[in-house]
Amino acid sequence: NAGVTQTPKFQVLKTGQSMTLQCAQDMNHNSMYWYRQDPGMGLRLIYYSASEGTTDKGEVPNGYNVSRLNKREFSLRLESAAPSQTSVYFCASSAVSYEQYFGPGTRLTVT
Amino acid sequence: AQRVTQPEKLLSVFKGAPVELKCNYSYSGSPELFWYVQYSRQRLQLLLRHISRESIKGFTADLNKGETSFHLKKPFAQEEDSAMYYCALNYGGATNKLIFGTGTLLAVQP
Repeated sequence: NAGVTQTPKFQVLKTGQSMTLQCAQDMNHNSMYWYRQDPGMGLRLIYYSASEGTTDKGEVPNGYNVSRLNKREFSLRLESAAPSQTSVYFCASSAVSYEQYFGPGTRLTVT
Repeated sequence: AQRVTQPEKLLSVFKGAPVELKCNYSYSGSPELFWYVQYSRQRLQLLLRHISRESIKGFTADLNKGETSFHLKKPFAQEEDSAMYYCALNYGGATNKLIFGTGTLLAVQP
């Protein structure tokens, strides 16, 4: 039981490049979330998914797209990376108990 | 708009001393609040939530609606309590969308 897994752990992109961050959970949770964490700031919600095929914007959705193709996986895509998207990205999932289970994070640097 | 404020970036105490990590919130609805903790080289994890009114690892937190606060307390700090602590507010109801404070680093000195 791995919980929430994220790939890759680290990534360096050049401005304008695209990439997809992958997240998977094996806890049969309906809800999944993507957050970003910047120095001196708390985690900020980028996107949320209540179930397969549904997504909803969070606080800071601009510059990102998401896909929830099945119950296990929730991916975050940067179509044209910008230096302002340099951050640590966390994926989380939850059931109805409201406790969110977090992944280990992806550290992304955009130069 | 909803907001969570943790005024202290760093709180340093000696082992055995009492600890209080402050959290204030701004929210127009009925608040649901959490404390999450991240120990060194571990994932962010739930410490406690106000609905359950539990004491976890000796920590308690009481929701004070009059003062819009949800401070985290422990009577006697242990070195293993050293970690980053985040207060979070559920502003999305059943969606459980969270807004986090900026976090407080608790350092317990021996």
